Order: sequence, then structure tokens, then C-alpha cells
Amino acid sequence: SAVISQKPSRDICQRGTSLTIQCQVDSQVTMMFWYRQQPGQSLTLIATANQGSEATYESGFVIDKFPISRPNLTFSTLTVSNMSPEDSSIYLCSVDLIRVGGPEAFFGQGTRLTVV
Amino acid sequence: DAKTTQPPSMDCAEGRAANLPCNHSTISGNEYVYWYRQIHSQGPQYIIHGLKNNETNEMASLIITEDRKSSTLILPHATLRDTAVYYCIVRVDIKAAGNKLTFGGGTRVLVKP
Repeated sequence: SAVISQKPSRDICQRGTSLTIQCQVDSQVTMMFWYRQQPGQSLTLIATANQGSEATYESGFVIDKFPISRPNLTFSTLTVSNMSPEDSSIYLCSVDLIRVGGPEAFFGQGTRLTVV
Repeated sequence: DAKTTQPPSMDCAEGRAANLPCNHSTISGNEYVYWYRQIHSQGPQYIIHGLKNNETNEMASLIITEDRKSSTLILPHATLRDTAVYYCIVRVDIKAAGNKLTFGGGTRVLVKP
């Protein structure tokens, strides 16, 4: 299995500031995924982070708001920029590993962000 | 949009089997059915997946209808720790990791003593 560590686990931030979330995986993976989970809602994919290339963003998410870095095969960061209360969510990173019988997705414990 | 439909919530008695339905009427021939659950304040956890045959592991059983348009996740003896949101997801390309997941609303399961 994959062990995914996210930092910070939670934070309370002032509006207008930025927060960078770190995701560390204990094995090398080609793609890492960043999800957002708004209060009481399901998970929504923000972007796919590939090592050595720019991240691919889903509809409704833009690089200026959610810049992503992927410096190597085990690490990625997501920055939530110019935050507003609407950005209060849980942010999760995820990876896929090939297992016998197919890929299996692993998730970090998430970063609970509250913007005040 | 999510390709699956699940009831928003259900209650289950502790020690009884919990049967969680999922409708995926537009599933393609190369798409697998995956189940994940998310316990409060944790990231989603893989439970089981299947293509067309029924599957069983230490956590649950997965029953897929012959036409593959629906499936049922069975938790054989629900415990209080099984209280969670359960997500049914279809995904393609079984041999290639990195296929993004599309989460629907899931079913919020409450196991009661």
C-alpha cells in the first residue's frame, strides 16, 4: 500500500492570504491528484499533477488560484491563493498504484482549511 | 458528471448485513465498479472492485448484476466502525494507473447499536 502524508492537517487562515499544502508519498508515482471536499459534499478533482510537466486542471479550477508544484516522483504541493471563506474545505491528495487486479487509489488524510 | 446513482443515506443495525445499492446503467464494457468509503475526518479508503463477477474480500462482498447496470456492496456483519460515507465509482483502463476518479454523492451509512 501507499502511505501519504499531508501537511498541515488543518489550518485557520485569514482571507486574502495563501496556504501551501504538502503531499509526500512513500513510493514513486507518475501522477498525483488533488481533490477538494467542501463541507457536507463529495470529493471534486482539482487537478492532476505530473512530474516534469504542468498540472492539468479540471473545469472550474485555474492555475492562478491553485498553483501546483511537482518537483519529483514522491512529492507535490498545492497552494490555495488569495483565500476567501468559500475556499474553506478539506483538500486531499491521492495517488494510484498498480495492484494485482488493477489500480487502487490511496488518499492522504486531508488538510482541513478554514478561511476567516 | 458522476456515472453512478446511490441512495443518500441508510441506517443499519449493528451485527446485521448492510446492503448498499448502486446504479450504473451507462457503464461501458471496459469499466470496473469500485467501492470506497470515507470515515469522518479521514481520506477515502478502498474497499473492493469488480468487473462482472461477484467479488469477496476481508471487508465486503460485491454483487454485480448480469447486465452490469447495478451492483450491491454487502458488509456482512456491520459494526459501529463501519459508519461512513460509501462511494460507488466506475473507472476505465484497468491496466493504467492514473485514471482520475469521479465521485458521486455516496451513501451515508449509519450503523446503530
